Amino acid sequence: AQSVTQPDIHITVSEGASLELRCNYSYGATPYLFWYVQSPGQGLQLLLKYFSGDTLVQGIKGFEAEFKRSQSSFNLRKPSVHWSDAAEYFCAVVYEAAGNKLTFGGGTRVLVKP
Amino acid sequence: SQTIHQWPATLVQPVGSPLSLECTVEGTSNPNLYWYRQAAGRGLQLLFYSVGIGQISSEVPQNLSASRPQDRQFILSSKKLLLSDSGFYLCAWSVADSGDTQYFGPGTRLTVL
Repeated sequence: AQSVTQPDIHITVSEGASLELRCNYSYGATPYLFWYVQSPGQGLQLLLKYFSGDTLVQGIKGFEAEFKRSQSSFNLRKPSVHWSDAAEYFCAVVYEAAGNKLTFGGGTRVLVKP
Repeated sequence: SQTIHQWPATLVQPVGSPLSLECTVEGTSNPNLYWYRQAAGRGLQLLFYSVGIGQISSEVPQNLSASRPQDRQFILSSKKLLLSDSGFYLCAWSVADSGDTQYFGPGTRLTVL
């Protein structure tokens, strides 16, 4: 069965510092990969997605992610974090063979220090 | 543009009472629709999905049921709520195509006392 792992439950970063959130998925053919962000008490907002092509994907709010098939990873990065980036971030994967069913990682909560 | 609505935004219900949460989508036709639950401190779990009117697939056995009476309406129900049904319920939609992006509603916070 497909699975997604986000190894870091919590990350604390200083405002202006860089951020990297890790995501690993179970091996499978043709994964579609997503990162979502959830502010407290809110729904999920799509940050970016990877379907095919260039393995470095640009998203909204200055985020980017890189797909590395050899490492089964899709890590999310931002060069300079803003206080408004404090939220929970979810990585998710869909396998074409499994239809359009998203499997989510457990999430990483990001705290931003002033 | 497409929008997705959920109501109510918050709900407090006693154990044993019924439940009805509603989700509607605007600006698209024949979407795939999904219900997720997010328990406190945990990730998202897919509960139900629907590819068309009256077509419901259940992902996990539970105290809940779902219905799709209209193309862009998805309802989550229970006849008798349990304490364990508390959580944050999210509805999502996608274009009816494998692998396409899912877009989420604002969610309903359900507390069962």
